[in-house]
Amino acid sequence: EEQLVESGGGLVQPGGSLRLSCAASGFIFSAYWMHWVRQAPGKGLVWVSRVNGDGSVTTYADSGKGRFTISRDTDKNTLYLQMNSLRADDTAIYYCARGYRGADNHYYFNLWGRGTLVTVSS
Amino acid sequence: SYELTQPPSVSVSPGQTARITCSGDGLPKKYAYWYQQKSGQAPVLVIHEDSKRPSGIPDRFSGSSSGTMATLTLSGAQVEDEADYYCYSTDNNGYPLFGGGTKLTVL
Repeated sequence: EEQLVESGGGLVQPGGSLRLSCAASGFIFSAYWMHWVRQAPGKGLVWVSRVNGDGSVTTYADSGKGRFTISRDTDKNTLYLQMNSLRADDTAIYYCARGYRGADNHYYFNLWGRGTLVTVSS
Repeated sequence: SYELTQPPSVSVSPGQTARITCSGDGLPKKYAYWYQQKSGQAPVLVIHEDSKRPSGIPDRFSGSSSGTMATLTLSGAQVEDEADYYCYSTDNNGYPLFGGGTKLTVL
């Protein structure tokens, strides 16, 4: 069974750091772009970052540029998101998601984890 | 900046047809996708590439797109379809972009 399981969320003070992990199983991890998507309490889905199959290409939404670093370990089949200088508005459920190329060569998400909650508060 | 615009809420009675729209200037050139998110759960893909239904999604879910508007249609909505629905596409730079979401109420 194809599966994504996030971990690493928790309560952190403003200005602090946190590293999220996403363990993948049931598919060839290195064959897919992987993404982080977040959802603030009561709000909509917002894309955060993506990384290509071998980890050499990364992209970030403006909200995380300079603060977040996405990476992956293909030996461990694990995706990461290192988050530094955290702010209250980073409070959200963070989902990892598998990217899949559509017929128009743009990517969508065809597998999601259940998410991990990050709370930034003093 | 490019946006995908959805109505905040749609309400229907059980058995009626619900339509959720998604408006975006880029949609004539790009596919729309639809995700269902039930309370406390991860999103689930219900429509891809405007109108294709993944395996396991009931055939009461359908999608269409014309010009700058994509539409998700639930024919014969059921109480279990009550959820938030998000349209998805990519922005002018090819970055992932979600609509604001539509809360579907079936009662």
